[in-house]
Amino acid sequence: KAGVTQTPRYLIKTRGQQVTLSCSPISGHRSVSWYQQTPGQGLQFLFEYFSETQRNKGNFPGRFSGRQFSNSRSEMNVSTLELGDSALYLCASSLSPRGNEQFFGPGTRLTVL
Amino acid sequence: AQRVTQPEKLLSVFKGAPVELKCNYSYSGSPELFWYVQYSRQRLQLLLRHISRESIKGFTADLNKGETSFHLKKPFAQEEDSAMYYCALRGTGNTGKLIFGQGTTLQVKP
Repeated sequence: KAGVTQTPRYLIKTRGQQVTLSCSPISGHRSVSWYQQTPGQGLQFLFEYFSETQRNKGNFPGRFSGRQFSNSRSEMNVSTLELGDSALYLCASSLSPRGNEQFFGPGTRLTVL
Repeated sequence: AQRVTQPEKLLSVFKGAPVELKCNYSYSGSPELFWYVQYSRQRLQLLLRHISRESIKGFTADLNKGETSFHLKKPFAQEEDSAMYYCALRGTGNTGKLIFGQGTTLQVKP
């Protein structure tokens, strides 16, 4: 069974631009969560989607948004990029929100210059 | 406030020595606790969860609700245990949101 895939793997943007990151969950998994990982703040929860509905949102500004499609694939968007948005963005999938295990993708490394 | 604390950023031990990675949590309710591990150049993956009460790769963790702790232990460390370890909490309610600690790097020296 293929694991969680994330595209692109690396991204370089400049301040003020916007970016879209994509996550394809494991086949059959309907729940997708996003996390931001930085050296200073560690792993922080961004959002959670299940059946195309946002179930939960972390403490991030409105510049961070996301969505989930009918095939469970998910995208997250960051508008008006700031230097502090440079991070590794991880996606995780599970069968359901309370599924036994969340499987993580390799992440997208975003660098904002 | 919901919080997970891993007091040690780095834990360095010799092969064959016992290991204990500390994790304390703050949560008003009955959370689920997990340990995740990230080996070099690999994805973050689940190591174990408290409700399973199992031993994975020789690691065990016991949830102590009185001390709000979920320390990870292994009696004899191996070099292949060297990795980053994250303690995580999942609260009640119909959500999979994980709250992670800052992580502890375990370095097992030969």
